[in-house]
Amino acid sequence: AQSVAQPEDQVKVAEGNPLTVKCTYSVSGNPYLFWYVQYPNRGLQFLLKYITGDNLVKGSYGFEAEFNKSQTSFHLKKPSALVSDSALYFCAVRDSYGNNRLAFGKGNQVVVIP
Amino acid sequence: DARVTQTPRHKVTEMGQEVTMRCQPILGHNTVFWYRQTMMQGLELLAYFRNRAPLDDSGMPKDRFSAEMPDATLATLKIQPSEPRDSAVYFCASGLALGQSVMHEQYFGPGTRLTVT
Repeated sequence: AQSVAQPEDQVKVAEGNPLTVKCTYSVSGNPYLFWYVQYPNRGLQFLLKYITGDNLVKGSYGFEAEFNKSQTSFHLKKPSALVSDSALYFCAVRDSYGNNRLAFGKGNQVVVIP
Repeated sequence: DARVTQTPRHKVTEMGQEVTMRCQPILGHNTVFWYRQTMMQGLELLAYFRNRAPLDDSGMPKDRFSAEMPDATLATLKIQPSEPRDSAVYFCASGLALGQSVMHEQYFGPGTRLTVT
């Protein structure tokens, strides 16, 4: 069964500094990888996905993520964090065999300090 | 701006009462998911449907939970009888399955915050 690990509970960064949120995954076959963001009292919003192709994926709000097959990682990055990026971030994975189930990580709380 | 809608947004009920949560997926989407989010367990998949047929409900307590799709524009999640441990935020999400797999992302509704006292 597929699974995701997000090792840090909280990520704190000063505004303007680079932001990295870590994710490692386990899945049979080729992974389909996703990042979602959740603001308080809201549903999850899609940020970006990796299906195939370039390992560096660009998404919404200036976020990008790098797929690393050898390290089974899909870390989320933003070169310059904004206070408005403070939210809960979820990494998710599914396999490529037609299984529609997404396995979500536990989420990382990102706090951007003004 | 197509969105997944959920009603009610908030529900407070007493233990033992029936609770029904409704979801309207994005028009044209053929896959619907129900999730539950709690601080302790995080985001858990309860059930999902494709073309209105239930494909997997292994995450759902069968004795009290039921999920249905009466038509393509409505999904329901019922709890009967409700218990305090059911207190959580319940999310519906929809997606478009192409061929044999979901190639597109899931779109989440705003959630129903359920409190059972």
